[in-house]
Amino acid sequence: GAVVSQHPSRVICKSGTSVKIECRSLDFQATTMFWYRQFPKKSLMLMATSNEGSKATYEQGVEKDKFLINHASLTLSTLTVTSAHPEDSSFYICSARDYGRQGLLYEQYFGPGTRLTVT
Amino acid sequence: GENVEQHPSTLSVQEGDSAVIKCTYSDSASNYFPWYKQELGKRPQLIIDIRSNVGEKKDQRIAVTLNKTAKHFSLHITETQPEDSAVYFCAASRPGGGADGLTFGKGTHLIIQP
Repeated sequence: GAVVSQHPSRVICKSGTSVKIECRSLDFQATTMFWYRQFPKKSLMLMATSNEGSKATYEQGVEKDKFLINHASLTLSTLTVTSAHPEDSSFYICSARDYGRQGLLYEQYFGPGTRLTVT
Repeated sequence: GENVEQHPSTLSVQEGDSAVIKCTYSDSASNYFPWYKQELGKRPQLIIDIRSNVGEKKDQRIAVTLNKTAKHFSLHITETQPEDSAVYFCAASRPGGGADGLTFGKGTHLIIQP
């Protein structure tokens, strides 16, 4: 149980275009999902916290108009990178918390990540 | 905000020996400290976690200790095996306290020498 999927796993897009990444909790409901970014051989950086039915909370330095987050259902959050540029190329990973499991309020389950390359 | 420091950045140990990775955090209100193992190109996998009301937790060859006063926590892996080779990240958060997301350390590349 507690499986999180992401789609696509890899995407290449041209500079100036937009890309949407989906994060799904497959066997549990996730009122909160998180989006992280990871550069090669670097750590994960929290970008934003996505709450079902409300606006996302962005970390300092993350442009909300560039990284649009929508969490319209208890099993799906999307991250849209708008007007992508080469510096947006990165590994984007989502995670979700399973509120349905007693005692597991804290644990986050990670998706497999999406490798974005902007040319 | 929270700041998590992790040392060492690279750790090489002989197979069968123990490995210790240390982290410090800055926000005294943080109360959840997970450790993740990440293999190249894969998602982080939770290997053990500890909450601030506990000083130590063990799961087979893996243990974590927490010193709230000093604001540091450590990962201990005993009887290391080749499959333990990976990058390990510590993290801290304050679930339900306005900082639900994880702040990660910079990672430790653990190399198990055969």
